[in-house]
Amino acid sequence: NAGVTQTPKFRILKIGQSMTLQCTQDMNHNYMYWYRQDPGMGLKLIYYSVGAGITDKGEVLNGYNVSRSTTEDFPLRLELAAPSQTSVYFCASSSSGGAADTQYFGPGTRLTVL
Amino acid sequence: GQNIDQPTEMTATEGAIVQINCTYQTSGFNGLFWYQQHAGEAPTFLSYNVLDGLEEKGRFSSFLSRSKGYSYLLLKELQMKDSASYLCAVIDSNYQLIWGAGTKLIIKP
Repeated sequence: NAGVTQTPKFRILKIGQSMTLQCTQDMNHNYMYWYRQDPGMGLKLIYYSVGAGITDKGEVLNGYNVSRSTTEDFPLRLELAAPSQTSVYFCASSSSGGAADTQYFGPGTRLTVL
Repeated sequence: GQNIDQPTEMTATEGAIVQINCTYQTSGFNGLFWYQQHAGEAPTFLSYNVLDGLEEKGRFSSFLSRSKGYSYLLLKELQMKDSASYLCAVIDSNYQLIWGAGTKLIIKP
């Protein structure tokens, strides 16, 4: 099992450009998450999904969009990139979303917006 | 608001013991996780506590006191590879994970 994979690993965007961060998991997990991690800060939840076709926002409200058409894939879309979106983005998945359920993380995408 | 506090950085010596504290104030409590994150890498699961007391797993132990809103991670027989950030995360009443900023642990020979 590859676990959770993310592409690209690094990306530099110009202000106003758009891009999609890819995330795929092969563990047949129902729950998937997108986080961003800024230096010296905790992980902030952007979006999560409890299954194919179902998504919901986390605490980071603006500038992102997601889709979940399959169990395996959970892409994150950035429209009109801004310098404030410079961060490391982690995708994660878990089996059921229950209290004791461990989240498994992908290797991250390091995004710089200039 | 919801808040999780951890020391920003700690230094310890190889072979020694270190305790990393975490205090939390969240809307509800459904469990607490500790994750390890090496520089430039993804977080990986270390432990989960939902009941008061100590959970031991090899060189690592995690303690929880729900009445005090307090947990600690105890690392014994420190090795150089334990140099990493340690993240405390609490599951709130909505089953959302609230993350602390992490404690960077530096191990010196």
